[in-house]
Amino acid sequence: DTGVSQDPRHKITKRGQNVTFRCDPISEHNRLYWYRQTLGQGPEFLTYFQNEAQLEKSRLLSDRFSAERPKGSFSTLEIQRTEQGDSAMYLCASSFGQARSPLHFGNGTRLTVT
Amino acid sequence: AQSVTQLGSHVSVSEGALVLLRCNYSSSVPPYLFWYVQYPNQGLQLLLKYTSAATLVKGINGFEAEFKKSETSFHLTKPSAHMSDAAEYFCAVSDISGNEKLTFGTGTRLTIIP
Repeated sequence: DTGVSQDPRHKITKRGQNVTFRCDPISEHNRLYWYRQTLGQGPEFLTYFQNEAQLEKSRLLSDRFSAERPKGSFSTLEIQRTEQGDSAMYLCASSFGQARSPLHFGNGTRLTVT
Repeated sequence: AQSVTQLGSHVSVSEGALVLLRCNYSSSVPPYLFWYVQYPNQGLQLLLKYTSAATLVKGINGFEAEFKKSETSFHLTKPSAHMSDAAEYFCAVSDISGNEKLTFGTGTRLTIIP
């Protein structure tokens, strides 16, 4: 069990640029989640995959955000035309088995939009 | 919709003293409740979870929490604080309706005074 891996750890980008983050879940985990965490707040749910199917998307996920999990393994989260309000920590988590199994979180990707 | 409220964004206790972090939930159906801990620049780690079995739940690192339906509370306690307990703690709720996502509170930053 190597844990949930996220890449990059930090990303600084200029407003208007596109960014893409990657998440590699624990290998046997079929569920994968993306959360966003801003300073002083708890994580906010963005979206959730079961295998390759995206089953739920938050209203926080505007049309500038897209997530994929093409083969039911790793996932990518892309933000197009970044805005300063997108600056946050983006957390990936995975779980296996029955619903409400504990989530295993990665260390996150910290995005700074200048 | 379910939610959690964490009372006290910052809590300071002396080393060796009792730790009490408060969490109240709101849910229209029986909830599943979780406590997570986050160390600086890291993801979240599960401390313990309540899933309608025993109301007193024991977790890692000597922490425990008691589910009290009458008070809609799930407070986290530890009898004797250790310097290594300094971190941010998040309470989270899920429900039994099949909704997979966790809803987190805003967190409590725990400081240990030597």
